[in-house]
Amino acid sequence: DAGVIQSPRHEVTEMGQEVTLRCKPISGHDYLFWYRQTMMRGLELLIYFNNNVPIDDSGMPEDRFSAKMPNASFSTLKIQPSEPRDSAVYFCASSRLGGVGEAFFGQGTRLTVV
Amino acid sequence: AQSVTQLDSHVSVSEGTPVLLRCNYSSSYSPSLFWYVQHPNKGLQLLLKYTSAATLVKGINGFEAEFKKSETSFHLTKPSAHMSDAAEYFCVVSVGFGNEKLTFGTGTRLTIIP
Repeated sequence: DAGVIQSPRHEVTEMGQEVTLRCKPISGHDYLFWYRQTMMRGLELLIYFNNNVPIDDSGMPEDRFSAKMPNASFSTLKIQPSEPRDSAVYFCASSRLGGVGEAFFGQGTRLTVV
Repeated sequence: AQSVTQLDSHVSVSEGTPVLLRCNYSSSYSPSLFWYVQHPNKGLQLLLKYTSAATLVKGINGFEAEFKKSETSFHLTKPSAHMSDAAEYFCVVSVGFGNEKLTFGTGTRLTIIP
């Protein structure tokens, strides 16, 4: 398996624009997590899905953030409109056993909002 | 609620000397505990995990960690540091089934001195 695949690897956008981050989890994994990493706040869980259903979105910072998982092999994290404080590295991870299993992380998307 | 505290934000050791990265946890239930490593501009990789089996856990690249319930600790050690060990290390806690949320510590940056 190629592992968790995220795209794009880097994204630079202007404030106010819509940004969509994409993730393909490992086949057979039924949990998918979105994390955000910043120097100030470290790694924060934004939302996670089980069998394509959002389970906990309490980490989503604002209504500007939304996440979907239309099928078992694809998820998106959308920010609209984007703001400079959204600049961070966004990681997607998947696992087979949720909290007791190993979470496999993608390479991340480095988002810069100018 | 569960949490982890990584006691050192930065650790420097000489190549060939032992490594000790400290982590204390707080959990109302029997936790699952993990150590992840993040090399510069890379995703996170699992080093090892504890899930209520043996208290001494061996991981990849010569790392190991010991679960001590009486001290609520899960410190990461390695007998002899290698230059390639230079990275950021995260202690992670989860309460497992029913709560798949992985809670990350703030990270410890390990520097290896030649």
